[in-house]
Amino acid sequence: QKEVEQNSGPLSVPEGAIASLNCTYSDRGSQSFFWYRQYSGKSPELIMSIYSNGDKEDGRFTAQLNKASQYVSLLIRDSQPSDSATYLCAVNGIQGAQKLVFGQGTRLTINP
Amino acid sequence: DTGVSQNPRHKITKRGQNVTFRCDPISEHNRLYWYRQTLGQGPEFLTYFQNEAQLEKSRLLSDRFSAERPKGSFSTLEIQRTEQGDSAMYLCASSFSEKDTQYFGPGTRLTVL
Repeated sequence: QKEVEQNSGPLSVPEGAIASLNCTYSDRGSQSFFWYRQYSGKSPELIMSIYSNGDKEDGRFTAQLNKASQYVSLLIRDSQPSDSATYLCAVNGIQGAQKLVFGQGTRLTINP
Repeated sequence: DTGVSQNPRHKITKRGQNVTFRCDPISEHNRLYWYRQTLGQGPEFLTYFQNEAQLEKSRLLSDRFSAERPKGSFSTLEIQRTEQGDSAMYLCASSFSEKDTQYFGPGTRLTVL
């Protein structure tokens, strides 16, 4: 089992709809969770961080964390073509290590 | 600009040559990380520093790879005797502490011919 798993996609969503991205992780003791956006040929850019169970909202983005199910998700409301990118889920603290472990990313396309 | 910077942005080299990359972290950040990313994959951890101390190295980091952060500020990553399999994007990130958000630099894209 991979330490951090994401569906690689591609995920196609019409403009204005809600995009839902999911991530599961292997270590129940993991401490902090991040969503990064990466445009083709560019480096990862932080979208959201979340540390405790529940929802965290920032503008059109909502991160959801469920530690019991070892599941973290990202919702993008009112999707825009500029949201088309690869979304990387990253987990810190797997097996106590202070480094980020990334999923392989989900490629999201917003169709006008 | 107070973000993470990396130089060079692109490097093309021939197999067997040595290359060195530099990373300048956000100035108040104590932690500095190196990752490698190949096409279609998420970044993979290579090594990290707290101040000038190198605290962890991945098994991915063969003995051809060495990293330094001599004064706890900028860091260099050197690859000796490059191989075609070393072709990747090399990413540097920094954070204030171990649980804080890591901010990434623009990366150095290495192509080994």
